[in-house]
Amino acid sequence: SQQGEEDPQALSIQEGENATMNCSYKTSINNLQWYRQNSGRGLVHLILIRSNEREKHSGRLRVTLDTSKKSSSLLITASRAADTASYFCATDAPYNTDKLIFGTGTRLQVFP
Amino acid sequence: DVKVTQSSRYLVKRTGEKVFLECVQDMDHENMFWYRQDPGLGLRLIYFSYDVKMKEKGDIPEGYSVSREKKERFSLILESASTNQTSMYLCASSWNWGENYNEQFFGPGTRLTVL
Repeated sequence: SQQGEEDPQALSIQEGENATMNCSYKTSINNLQWYRQNSGRGLVHLILIRSNEREKHSGRLRVTLDTSKKSSSLLITASRAADTASYFCATDAPYNTDKLIFGTGTRLQVFP
Repeated sequence: DVKVTQSSRYLVKRTGEKVFLECVQDMDHENMFWYRQDPGLGLRLIYFSYDVKMKEKGDIPEGYSVSREKKERFSLILESASTNQTSMYLCASSWNWGENYNEQFFGPGTRLTVL
């Protein structure tokens, strides 16, 4: 069962622009994570934000979390062609926090 | 660096064959996972193991079994492969303690085609 739903499904931008992806989820969480997947490869962890945090930064990444709206956003600033990938949010499962439930992802295309 | 390896990047099998997908991690993680990834459906958990010889069904276990005889190795078995099992299979592992306990580390994936 899907917990996270990303929006938009696909996003195309020019290098240097900012990219914003959103994630909504259904049940209460301990943390929310964002992962990146290059085409045909495994996922790579980007950032984790806990339920008691509202914003977190890592390099060009900024993640926000609004637990009242059950939503999160991932902002990539000054995007590069190398940022082209699919991005997934993941929340811990309500019945077993060792497990993650992944959304369907946002495909980001950054044109040089 | 954590490393999760999978035995094959690409695999082609025939309907009815028994298929073994192997995953090995080198970080002494307690948890290991098998997912399949299909377009439009995201990642779906097939099986989860939280310790040696321990396993738990995920969302789509039908047609699959798993084996974890050693902590570092988690195998996914397709007892009798079918065409609807053509997919990308991803293995992951994680700790079950610590600050970022459920951050998962993924292998490169195995793209399985069943003819």
